Amino acid sequence: KQEVTQIPAALSVPEGENLVLNCSFTDSAIYNLQWFRQDPGKGLTSLLLIQSSQREQTSGRLNASLDKSSGRSTLYIAASQPGDSATYLCAVPVGGGGADGLTFGKGTHLIIQP
Amino acid sequence: DTAVSQTPKYLVTQMGNDKSIKCEQNLGHDTMYWYKQDSKKFLKIMFSYNNKELIINETVPNRFSPKSPDKAHLNLHINSLELGDSAVYFCASSQSGQGGGYTFGSGTRLTVV
Repeated sequence: KQEVTQIPAALSVPEGENLVLNCSFTDSAIYNLQWFRQDPGKGLTSLLLIQSSQREQTSGRLNASLDKSSGRSTLYIAASQPGDSATYLCAVPVGGGGADGLTFGKGTHLIIQP
Repeated sequence: DTAVSQTPKYLVTQMGNDKSIKCEQNLGHDTMYWYKQDSKKFLKIMFSYNNKELIINETVPNRFSPKSPDKAHLNLHINSLELGDSAVYFCASSQSGQGGGYTFGSGTRLTVV
C-alpha cells in the first residue's frame, strides 16, 4: 500500500528565503506526482504536476523535482513571500493513473514571516 | 469558468438528519471522486466513479451513498448524520489513463451538532 510522507510537518521562515519541502513515497511505480497548495478554509490548488518520465517541473518561483527510483520529490520555493504561507500537499495516484484516486501526504504547514 | 464546483460550501445540521452535497465538473473528465478531510487535515479518498460506474468504495459507512447521474455530476448523500461525520468534503475529477492531474472543488464544510 502506497504511503506518502512529507517533511517537515511545519516550517516558519523569514521572507526572502529559499526553501525546500520534501515528499517521499513507498511505492516507486507511480504514474506522476502532484503538488497542491491549500490555504486555510479553502480548497486545493494544483501547483505542479510532474510525470514519471520527467525529472523536474517549474512554474514561476516554484520548482518540483522527482526521483522515482528513490521515491522522493522536492518542492523548491525561491525568494519566499508572505503570500506563500499555506499548507503544501504532495500526492501520487494509486495504481496506474486510472480511476483509483490520489494518496496524499499529511502536508507541510508553511509560514513566511514578513 | 472551467472548474469543479460543489454546493453547499457550508452545511450545519443536527444529528440524525439526512443531507446531500452536490458536485459538478465541466472539464470533460471521465472520473470523479469524493474525499474527506478530517480535523487533522488529512485527506482520504471515499469514493471514485468512472463514467458513472463505482470504482472505489473505501471503508466508509453505508450511510454514505454516492450517486452519479452522468459523467459530469457526482453527488454525496449522507443518512442519519453523526457527530463524527463533521469534516470538510472535497469533490475532485480527473481524466483516467492519460497521466493528467486532479482538479479539486473548494470543499463543503459539514458540521453536525
